[in-house]
Amino acid sequence: AQSVTQLGSHVSVSEGALVLLRCNYSSSVPPYLFWYVQYPNQGLQLLLKYTSAATLVKGINGFEAEFKKSETSFHLTKPSAHMSDAAEYFCAVKGGGADGLTFGKGTHLIIQP
Amino acid sequence: NAGVTQTPKFRILKIGQSMTLQCTQDMNHNYMYWYRQDPGMGLKLIYYSVGAGITDKGEVPNGYNVSRSTTEDFPLRLELAAPSQTSVYFCASSYEQGAGKLFFGSGTQLSVL
Repeated sequence: AQSVTQLGSHVSVSEGALVLLRCNYSSSVPPYLFWYVQYPNQGLQLLLKYTSAATLVKGINGFEAEFKKSETSFHLTKPSAHMSDAAEYFCAVKGGGADGLTFGKGTHLIIQP
Repeated sequence: NAGVTQTPKFRILKIGQSMTLQCTQDMNHNYMYWYRQDPGMGLKLIYYSVGAGITDKGEVPNGYNVSRSTTEDFPLRLELAAPSQTSVYFCASSYEQGAGKLFFGSGTQLSVL
């Protein structure tokens, strides 16, 4: 069964610093991988997705993620954090009912001024 | 564009009561999902539907029921509410199998006391 593990339930960075949120996957087939963001009191929004095309995927709001098969990783990065990036971030893999998504436990990103 | 609409936003139930969480989407999506989100646990799939008249269980279906009489609506029914069902519930829909992108509602926060 497909699964993802997010390392770190909370990550704190300074405004302007690099953001790195870690995600490792476990999949018996080439995975489809996703990053979603959840702002307070809102539903989840898709940031980006990997579907076996380019290994470096660019998403919205300046985020990108790199698929590394040798490391079974799909880490999310952003060169310079903004206060507005403070949110909960979820890594997810295709798998589940009707090819729904299996989500990681989430990483809460805190931006310090 | 309403997207996915969930009602109510908040609800408090007493143990043993029943209620229905409403979900409707106006994007003509065939695939719809119900997730629950518990702190630090990510999202767990409760039920899903691949079209009107077709539903199936997800990872955590016990204590819930669903129906899908129309493409637009996918209500979630709680019978005999229990404290373990205290959670935030999200409805989502997608236009393609394989969950290329899920569109989420803003959630229903439910407390069972």
